[in-house]
Amino acid sequence: GENVEQHPSTLSVQEGDSAVIKCTYSDSASNYFPWYKQELGKGPQLIIDIRSNVGEKKDQRIAVTLNKTAKHFSLHITETQPEDSAVYFCAASYGSGGSYIPTFGRGTSLIVHP
Amino acid sequence: GAVVSQHPSWVICKSGTSVKIECRSLDFQATTMFWYRQFPKQSLMLMATSNEGSKATYEQGVEKDKFLINHASLTLSTLTVTSAHPEDSSFYICSANGDEQFFGPGTRLTVL
Repeated sequence: GENVEQHPSTLSVQEGDSAVIKCTYSDSASNYFPWYKQELGKGPQLIIDIRSNVGEKKDQRIAVTLNKTAKHFSLHITETQPEDSAVYFCAASYGSGGSYIPTFGRGTSLIVHP
Repeated sequence: GAVVSQHPSWVICKSGTSVKIECRSLDFQATTMFWYRQFPKQSLMLMATSNEGSKATYEQGVEKDKFLINHASLTLSTLTVTSAHPEDSSFYICSANGDEQFFGPGTRLTVL
């Protein structure tokens, strides 16, 4: 099965700095890579995703890159704000539309200091 | 965007009792829903896949007789934790796949 490794487990930055979270996956058949933000006591929320036919995707301050050859993908948050503080999970899965079950990384606790 | 709700948001029960958690897709139909369990500071662990009109598919190591799943309609799946024990205390999260996977807000179960 798929195995997703995520680093770092904890990331502490100053407000305005950039934050980068990296993940690797093992199954070359995986073709969908979502990122989730989970605030304390809440369910995960999808913040950005990327499919294997794309190398990079950006949405305002958030960007994700994918290297299929190396089987790794990264989340980049620029101009971090205190409200970005949360646990971020990467995931990898195979499938399209609603037919996929993601394998999650272990999560990164991002702390943005004002 | 699509919304998935869970009820209750938290529950405290005595050891040995059963607890039912509901998961609803509010504005789309979901033939498949998923149940996850999350312990503090850990990732989401898939427990089972809930299929409308058929039996759930359980992940290895998850007791199907302890965690009963019913998916009676295209918008509702329920998870019943039977004979709950303190080690079942956890954060239970459901999800449903529309165009993407939408997660519910979670249910905090505390078994005394």
